[in-house]
Amino acid sequence: DAGVIQSPRHEVTEMGQEVTLRCKPISGHDYLFWYRQTMMRGLELLIYFNNNVPIDDSGMPEDRFSAKMPNASFSTLKIQPSEPRDSAVYFCASSLSVAGYTFGSGTRLTVV
Amino acid sequence: DAKTTQPPSMDCAEGRAANLPCNHSTISGNEYVYWYRQIHSQGPQYIIHGLKNNETNEMASLIITEDRKSSTLILPHATLRDTAVYYCIVRVGRGAQKLVFGQGTRLTINP
Repeated sequence: DAGVIQSPRHEVTEMGQEVTLRCKPISGHDYLFWYRQTMMRGLELLIYFNNNVPIDDSGMPEDRFSAKMPNASFSTLKIQPSEPRDSAVYFCASSLSVAGYTFGSGTRLTVV
Repeated sequence: DAKTTQPPSMDCAEGRAANLPCNHSTISGNEYVYWYRQIHSQGPQYIIHGLKNNETNEMASLIITEDRKSSTLILPHATLRDTAVYYCIVRVGRGAQKLVFGQGTRLTINP
């Protein structure tokens, strides 16, 4: 089991550019979560999916952020246009039922 | 989901038991207590969870008080690798609903 796989591990981009973060959940897990972590705000839940359907996107900060899950094995989080305040570590996690979540290693995004 | 209160930081000597407290006085009858930890720059790692009985696994033990208003995570023989931020979270158990992380306890294991 390779765990939750996120790519890229690091991303540096210029303000105004589009950024796409990718996540491959654990096979068979039916929940997928996107979190963002900063020093100031800690770990924040952005959005989560159940069986590829978005259930709660109340944590998505603004319309510049969008997330999709076209199938059970892939999800993307897109920021367009990116801003320096979007700099953070973005984590993806997947889960099955009441058991614990498994988190990926994260994508460290720097917007300059 | 019920709110939790944890001390911001704790220290423990290597080889000793680390006892991390968590208060969740507003917990509901159907809410579980979950513990995660985050080692520097890594994703959070699931440790253990329980409803009302004490639980033990290969990583830790979870002691929940009889009134369920508080719990303690015990790392029986702490090592330097246990230095991390530990999060206590309560949430409804049925269905993998969202986990809301607080600030956690920064545990430092000293040699």
